[in-house]
Amino acid sequence: AQKITQTQPGMFVQEKEAVTLDCTYDTSDPSYGLFWYKQPSSGEMIFLIYQGSYDQQNATEGRYSLNFQKARKSANLVISASQLGDSAMYFCAMRAQARGADGLTFGKGTHLIIQP
Amino acid sequence: DTGVSQNPRHKITKRGQNVTFRCDPISEHNRLYWYRQTLGQGPEFLTYFQNEAQLEKSRLLSDRFSAERPKGSFSTLEIQRTEQGDSAMYLCASRPTRGGPHEQYFGPGTRLTVT
Repeated sequence: AQKITQTQPGMFVQEKEAVTLDCTYDTSDPSYGLFWYKQPSSGEMIFLIYQGSYDQQNATEGRYSLNFQKARKSANLVISASQLGDSAMYFCAMRAQARGADGLTFGKGTHLIIQP
Repeated sequence: DTGVSQNPRHKITKRGQNVTFRCDPISEHNRLYWYRQTLGQGPEFLTYFQNEAQLEKSRLLSDRFSAERPKGSFSTLEIQRTEQGDSAMYLCASRPTRGGPHEQYFGPGTRLTVT
């Protein structure tokens, strides 16, 4: 079974500061993918960034980067130069690819609030 | 190119009634997923299809739940004899599997309230 743990229920960050959202995962599958999604108050899930378990480099997408530490089973999301529009729920998710499984396992999320 | 669409956006029903939701994936996305999200939680996987074949079902998908994708395009999720515990947001997602991105594209969801 897969498990995602997000230990920060909520975070307050000043605008323009960098922020790190924590995510640890547990799986016995050697091949897996890690995702971060953003869910604003409007409710839609917005994909941010993906990291494959065999990727050698940490993923980056604009202001988002994923700090992947495989030995520690952590996949923290780093948002540089935070903006007011970054205020939202952030979910870490995993897909373990064994035996035809393809559903995502999500954590409980972190509510990020950017303060001016 | 339109995104994933879901109908209805909101549904209020009385306990014991049956409800059906529809999801239209992004065209040419052969994989379609259903998730349930309750308040304050992350989405929970229910089931997914590749074309018309239902390939995986979560233990959360009780006997009262059934999903179909008869022609490999849109999908329906039916809940029979609804219970108050079924109140949640039901999310649909899709993605291609050949040469496409890994991420799933989510629709806006159907919010179900069982009274």
